Amino acid sequence: DADVTQTPRNRITKTGKRIMLECSQTKGHDRMYWYRQDPGLGLRLIYYSFDVKDINKGEISDGYSVSRQAQAKFSLSLESAIPNQTALYFCATSPTDRGPYNEQFFGPGTRLTVL
Amino acid sequence: DQQVKQNSPSLSVQEGRISILNCDYTNSMFDYFLWYKKYPAEGPTFLISISSIKDKNEDGRFTVFLNKSAKHLSLHIVPSQPGDSAVYFCAASGSSGGSNYKLTFGKGTLLTVNP
Repeated sequence: DADVTQTPRNRITKTGKRIMLECSQTKGHDRMYWYRQDPGLGLRLIYYSFDVKDINKGEISDGYSVSRQAQAKFSLSLESAIPNQTALYFCATSPTDRGPYNEQFFGPGTRLTVL
Repeated sequence: DQQVKQNSPSLSVQEGRISILNCDYTNSMFDYFLWYKKYPAEGPTFLISISSIKDKNEDGRFTVFLNKSAKHLSLHIVPSQPGDSAVYFCAASGSSGGSNYKLTFGKGTLLTVNP
């Protein structure tokens, strides 16, 4: 089955460390997204990418960076992790050709804890 | 400024009865609405959607109603089953101004269906 995968699934790190979360997809979608989920806050968009050469900031991009290495790969980096970046992180994809009908497909998530 | 609001953090219903989850939005440019379902330790999965040109969309036990004048939508689950117990996210997307790539999510409602 075409899928969205995320690695690692769980990660504990220390304040100040650099960390990378990876996302791969076999759906053939051009668009990829990174979200974080915090208790009681829903899903908030960090970065999104329409294709390999397109990177855009979402509503909460400070403290994060991304890399779109290929159509199928989109990585999220925390250059210097801080405790309030402790959250669930989700990668999502969507096809380009559906106009406004922007159904997104999510990976299983990465639980990140920053001590 | 929360553009998509789910004012009920939780809802508990008996198996076999109707579950009604509500969602309000403030941005009149939104014209496509989606419901996602999320189990613990999994990513959100798409459940059902509705375009603003409709006021109802049905898929099996799930029906979404849209009241554009009130900027309100609801998800009805009939009959509710214990396996429906999950967090439900309302999301909205706009097709104007190039914003059709982004989904704006509500904070979610935890539905518990009791046997």
